[in-house]
Amino acid sequence: KQEVTQIPAALSVPEGENLVLNCSFTDSAIYNLQWFRQDPGKGLTSLLLIQSSQREQTSGRLNASLDKSSGRSTLYIAASQPGDSATYLCAVKDNNDMRFGAGTRLTVKP
Amino acid sequence: EAQVTQNPRYLITVTGKKLTVTCSQNMNHEYMSWYRQDPGLGLRQIYYSMNVEVTDKGDVPEGYKVSRKEKRNFPLILESPSPNQTSLYFCASSLLAGARETQYFGPGTRLLVL
Repeated sequence: KQEVTQIPAALSVPEGENLVLNCSFTDSAIYNLQWFRQDPGKGLTSLLLIQSSQREQTSGRLNASLDKSSGRSTLYIAASQPGDSATYLCAVKDNNDMRFGAGTRLTVKP
Repeated sequence: EAQVTQNPRYLITVTGKKLTVTCSQNMNHEYMSWYRQDPGLGLRQIYYSMNVEVTDKGDVPEGYKVSRKEKRNFPLILESPSPNQTSLYFCASSLLAGARETQYFGPGTRLLVL
């Protein structure tokens, strides 16, 4: 059974720092991996979707990488801003199941 | 505006009182699913639907029912709610179930079962 782990569970950084969030999964037979952002009391917003054949995706200040063989993905956030404060979730898709990590709660201090 | 809507957003009920949480999407998506989110456990899939009249169990289907009579709607039914079903529930949809599809999530329904 696929298990998805995110480390750290919480992270606090000063504004302007570059940071990396980590996601690991146990079964490399995935279709894709997706990073989401969740604001308090809100739903999930998709940030980046990486297909199993891809190694990275970029959107603005965000860059996500995927290493299927080692079961790892990272989300790199450049020049962090207070508006980046949220919980970040990674999810892997295999067959029709989408399995989520517990998330990393990010706080960017002004 | 393309969106997934859920109702109600907040619900307090008592053990055993049947309830339904509605989910609707206006994007003509074929695939819809329900998740529950609990602290430290992330999101876990309850049920999903590949198309009208096609539903299947996810990871944690016990105590839940779903139906997909129309493409746009995918209600979640709790026939006899129990306190362990207190959670934050999300509905999601995507155009197809395939690997390239991004899922769009509703705003969530926070349920408290006393």
